[in-house]
Amino acid sequence: GAVVSQHPSRVICKSGTSVKIECRSLDFQATTMFWYRQFPKQSLMLMATSNEGSKATYEQGVEKDKFLINHASLTLSTLTVTSAHPEDSSFYICSGGLRGRTDTQYFGPGTRLTVL
Amino acid sequence: GQQLNQSPQSMFIQEGEDVSMNCTSSSIFNTWLWYKQDPGEGPVLLIALYKAGELTSNGRLTAQFGITRKDSFLNISASIPSDVGIYFCAGQDTGANSKLTFGKGITLSVRP
Repeated sequence: GAVVSQHPSRVICKSGTSVKIECRSLDFQATTMFWYRQFPKQSLMLMATSNEGSKATYEQGVEKDKFLINHASLTLSTLTVTSAHPEDSSFYICSGGLRGRTDTQYFGPGTRLTVL
Repeated sequence: GQQLNQSPQSMFIQEGEDVSMNCTSSSIFNTWLWYKQDPGEGPVLLIALYKAGELTSNGRLTAQFGITRKDSFLNISASIPSDVGIYFCAGQDTGANSKLTFGKGITLSVRP
C-alpha cells in the first residue's frame, strides 16, 4: 500500500516552454502533498507544501509564479514549471501524506526534467 | 536554516561487513527518519524514530535516536549487494505538520 506515482518519469523540453508533472496517490488519499527538487549528488530540497483544496505554501526562495502547484483532489497534485530554463533542469520528487502526519510521507519515483 | 550533517559523502565496504552511518544536527528534532534512495527513484522510508534514546530495528537495519535529540545513527549488518544506494537522514521539527529537513546523504557501495 501507500503507492505514489509520477508522470512523466522523464521529460526534455525547450527553454521557454512550460512542463506539467503529475503526482498521484494510488491507494490512499493524500490530504497533503509535498514537492521536492533534487540536483545531482545533492539532497532533497522542499519546494512547497499543498493541502487539498487550498493554496500551496512555498519555501523561501521558490517562485510561486514559476512553479505552479495545483492540488485539486485527494489523489492528484500537479507541478507546472512555467517558462522553463536550463537551470530548472533537476529531479522533481513528490510525496503524499496524511493531514497532520508529515513524518509519514510516501515518495513518488521522481521526474527527471531536462531543459535544453 | 536547519542543517543535518552526514559524512563521509561516500562509503565503500565489502559484502558481509557491517556499516554505521551517523547524522548530526545543530538543533533539536522530535522525529528522525532514515531513507534509502536508488538511482533515478524516490526515497523509501527505512526506519522512523519518535523518542529520544529509541532504538529500532528493521531486519538487518538498526537505528537509534540520540539522547540529545541532535543526532541519530543507522547500522546495517551483514551487508549485501542490494544495500547499495544513497542513505538520507531526515529530521522533523516540533508539531506533526512540520516539514522534513534532509541530510546530504551517504552513497554506499558494497563490493561483492
